[in-house]
Amino acid sequence: NAGVTQTPKFQVLKTGQSMTLQCAQDMNHNSMYWYRQDPGMGLRLIYYSASEGTTDKGEVPNGYNVSRLNKREFSLRLESAAPSQTSVYFCASSRVGGPDTQYFGPGTRLTVL
Amino acid sequence: GIQVEQSPPDLILQEGANSTLRCNFSDSVNNLQWFHQNPWGQLINLFYIPSGTKQNGRLSATTVATERYSLLYISSSQTTDSGVYFCAVDRDNYGQNFVFGPGTRLSVLP
Repeated sequence: NAGVTQTPKFQVLKTGQSMTLQCAQDMNHNSMYWYRQDPGMGLRLIYYSASEGTTDKGEVPNGYNVSRLNKREFSLRLESAAPSQTSVYFCASSRVGGPDTQYFGPGTRLTVL
Repeated sequence: GIQVEQSPPDLILQEGANSTLRCNFSDSVNNLQWFHQNPWGQLINLFYIPSGTKQNGRLSATTVATERYSLLYISSSQTTDSGVYFCAVDRDNYGQNFVFGPGTRLSVLP
């Protein structure tokens, strides 16, 4: 099993450009999450999806949109990137109905110039 | 909203020493997890522990939900234990809207 995979690993954008971060999991998990981590700080939840077909806002949703494409895939879109969105983005998944242990992907390092 | 504090913010140990990391939270929770972020940025779940005590090798964790704190114990520390330790709790008791603490940065010296 690959676990949680994220693409791309690195990305540089100019202010105003758009992009989509991709996340996939092969553990048959119901729930998926997108976090951002700024230098020297903890993680902040952007959006989560408790199950296929549902999405909910987390702590810092402004400037982002998400799509739960199917049970495996959860994408994060920046429509008009801003320098304040420079961060490392982590995707995670967990199984509902048991210990909701979260498994994280390797992260995407995004720089917005 | 729920507040999460961790202490100490930084900890430097000699290899072989023991340590205790603390996580305080301001409201009742259904879900509490401890994570280790290694120096390469990878996040690994250590414990799912909304209450009680668990042990996994040299690591153990205790959550006293009624007093709103959790402790992570690391015994006989090794250089590979270095990194940042985070606790995370659910914000709204549905078990998925998580808030992370600021972390404890641990450096284990050889």
